[in-house]
Amino acid sequence: AQKVTQAQTEISVVEKEDVTLDCVYETRDTTYYLFWYKQPPSGELVFLIRRNSFDEQNEISGRYSWNFQKSTSSFNFTITASQVVDSAVYFCALSEASGTYKYIFGTGTRLKVLA
Amino acid sequence: EAGVAQSPRYKIIEKRQSVAFWCNPISGHATLYWYQQILGQGPKLLIQFQNNGVVDDSQLPKDRFSAERLKGVDSTLKIQPAKLEDSAVYLCASSFWGGSQETQYFGPGTRLLVL
Repeated sequence: AQKVTQAQTEISVVEKEDVTLDCVYETRDTTYYLFWYKQPPSGELVFLIRRNSFDEQNEISGRYSWNFQKSTSSFNFTITASQVVDSAVYFCALSEASGTYKYIFGTGTRLKVLA
Repeated sequence: EAGVAQSPRYKIIEKRQSVAFWCNPISGHATLYWYQQILGQGPKLLIQFQNNGVVDDSQLPKDRFSAERLKGVDSTLKIQPAKLEDSAVYLCASSFWGGSQETQYFGPGTRLLVL
């Protein structure tokens, strides 16, 4: 069965610190997709990244980077030099290609960046 | 490009009343999703439409929840009668339905409080 675990409920860092948000997933499919979304206080889920299971290349986008490791079923998200505007709840999600592309979300990690 | 639109943004009702939410997806997106997000949890899929047909409604409480997507564009989600535990944010998302290109884009959500 599909499952996404975000063990970190809440993280607090001081501005300019680096922070890593963990995501561990479970799936029986060989083809699947992983996502990260940001949910600011306004409530809208903002898409950050999609990663296909057959592409283990890590990705960097500005201050954001993602580390995908199939061997440990993890898809971790790192923010470098955090800023107050990064404060939000971050969700990891999994979608299996064999189904209807339904997303299974983790419970989210609340990140607080203190000035 | 306009994003996913939802209305109303906030709704307060008493238990046993009925309520309806509206969603307009991104133009050209064939797939539409309704999620329920209870405070402190990740979004949970209620129903998924492909054009105007239902793909997945396995987690929709059908005794009180109903949804329709007439003409394959706009969608409404209705709760009748509402219970206290229905207090949540109701998120609408849409996607193109392009296989590996599948990414869901979310609207701002409707915050429902049932008293």
